[in-house]
Amino acid sequence: AQKITQTQPGMFVQEKEAVTLDCTYDTSDQSYGLFWYKQPSSGEMIFLIYQGSYDEQNATEGRYSLNFQKARKSANLVISASQLGDSAMYFCAMREGGTGNTGKLIFGQGTTLQVKP
Amino acid sequence: ETGVTQTPRHLVMGMTNKKSLKCEQHLGHNAMYWYKQSAKKPLELMFVYSLEERVENNSVPSRFSPECPNSSHLFLHLHTLQPEDSALYLCASSHERLAGFNEQFFGPGTRLTVL
Repeated sequence: AQKITQTQPGMFVQEKEAVTLDCTYDTSDQSYGLFWYKQPSSGEMIFLIYQGSYDEQNATEGRYSLNFQKARKSANLVISASQLGDSAMYFCAMREGGTGNTGKLIFGQGTTLQVKP
Repeated sequence: ETGVTQTPRHLVMGMTNKKSLKCEQHLGHNAMYWYKQSAKKPLELMFVYSLEERVENNSVPSRFSPECPNSSHLFLHLHTLQPEDSALYLCASSHERLAGFNEQFFGPGTRLTVL
């Protein structure tokens, strides 16, 4: 069964430093997608970055990059040059392929990131 | 309005009340979702609608009843809820394609408290 594991309940980082949030996943499917979302205290889930299982390059979006290690089944999020506004909850999510999995996103427990000034 | 909107943002109801949550997406997407987020638990997918037809129902109790009248609107009708149903209810939408995966865009959520 597919599963997402985020082992860091909480993380601290100094402003302007880089931070890595861990995510491991479990799936038997060859085709899947991995997503990271940010949830500020306001509650809205904000999409950050996506990595497809067949993508050879690691995904990057501005200050966000995804360290995709397929053999280890890990998809860690790297945030460079942290800002105070990055303080939030971060969720890793996965979706398997196949028409039977329409829209079925499985989320991890989340990691709370606090950026210190 | 842009993106995905949800109303109300906060709702307090008794166990015998009937209420409805509303979601509207302005993105031209063809799929909509309801998620439940309880304290200290991962987001749980409740319902999926693709092209206005329900394609996923993750064993949700019948006291939650979804309705998708068109591709832009999604409702969650609530009746005789339990205190453990108190949670943040998030609506999302996406453009489903035959190949590849598109991200889901979320609304701000409705914070529900059942007394």
